[in-house]
Formats: sequence, C-alpha cells, structure tokens
Amino acid sequence: NAGVTQTPKFQVLKTGQSMTLQCAQDMNHNSMYWYRQDPGMGLRLIYYSASEGTTDKGEVPNGYNVSRLNKREFSLRLESAAPSQTSVYFCASSDWEGNLGTGELFFGEGSRLTVL
Amino acid sequence: AQRVTQPEKLLSVFKGAPVELKCNYSYSGSPELFWYVQYSRQRLQLLLRHISRESIKGFTADLNKGETSFHLKKPFAQEEDSAMYYCAPYTGRRALTFGSGTRLQVQP
Repeated sequence: NAGVTQTPKFQVLKTGQSMTLQCAQDMNHNSMYWYRQDPGMGLRLIYYSASEGTTDKGEVPNGYNVSRLNKREFSLRLESAAPSQTSVYFCASSDWEGNLGTGELFFGEGSRLTVL
Repeated sequence: AQRVTQPEKLLSVFKGAPVELKCNYSYSGSPELFWYVQYSRQRLQLLLRHISRESIKGFTADLNKGETSFHLKKPFAQEEDSAMYYCAPYTGRRALTFGSGTRLQVQP
C-alpha cells in the first residue's frame, strides 16, 4: 500500500544544475500537487494538476516546471537550480468531487534538496 | 489579499493542559477549512475537516465566521500530540493553501 511515492529522498546540487523530482500515486487520484516546505513559511504550492492533461501554477512557480506524465505520475523539474530552492519538497494527491470533494490530500515522504 | 495566519510558531504546554492552536483566515465567502498534522518522521496527514464536525484524537475545531477563525482545541494535551499543525482553507481551484504552521510541544 504505497500511496504517494517520491524520489529521490535526498539530493545535493550545485547552482545551475538541473534535476527532476519524480512522484507517483497508486490511488487513482485525479489531482496531484507539488509543495515546498520552508522553516517559518509552512507549505507553499508550487504547481498542481487538477486532472490528467492539465497543470496550473501555484503560489511559487518561478524556477520550476512540471509534467503530468499520466494519471499516476507528476514530475517537478528544476532547470537551473538556485540556493533559494533549497527546501523540502512534497508531492501530494487528492480526488476532488465537484467543487469541494473530500479535501483530503495524501502526501509523499518528502524530498530534501540542497543547492550549494 | 486572501491568506491564512497561524500566529504562533511554537506552542509549548504541559501534559494535561488545554491546547488551542490559532488559525485566522481572510478569505471572502465561506471557505472549507481543514487541519493537517505532521508527527515526527511521519507524513503530513489530515487531522480533521470543518464540514465533518468531527473530533479526532480529542481535537475539535470550531469555525467562527464572525472572527474568521478556525482554532484547533483539545482539553487535555498528551505527549503524543507533539507535532507540527497546519491550518488549510480550501477556496476552490482544487488546491489547498496552508498556513505557516504551529509546532506543538507537549512536555511531560
């Protein structure tokens, strides 16, 4: 019963390097999300995909790109990493019904990224 | 601007004391509200949602539309309640906005 799986769990990058965070869910959820968690700032939404084939910007999208590869997978790419992108990244999924749905997000374990 | 505020970064109480984690929002209309919790070395998970009027692990949360607040309360804190708590209003667009979080520390 994996739920939401994200890889890698840890990564150290140099400024300017690129990388992709992978996320997969096995709950057949329509919606998937990427958040970043920073001390004192809580979780901030980077991008989300309300359904397969769509993606939308969240609160802090600059410096990131996403791909909803299929219903299961949603990847987050940093094209040119910057120290300000040092953070813990969380992927989540949910199954919204109508406008409200259940509201329950299921989270991955997080990916700790350090950009030197 | 629409936002959610959790004014306390850290709340430290003794075991058995009452707990109130504050959450204020400034959204127009009537957002649906949720509390999420992250225990040490565990995933972030849903604690309770306003629409269900439920009590989970002894916690309750009352929506006060006049004060635009959704404070989380528990009459007697337990050590296992120590965690990071996030208030999250849902305002549409199928995405949740999270507050900055409050770390609850329950001391023995």
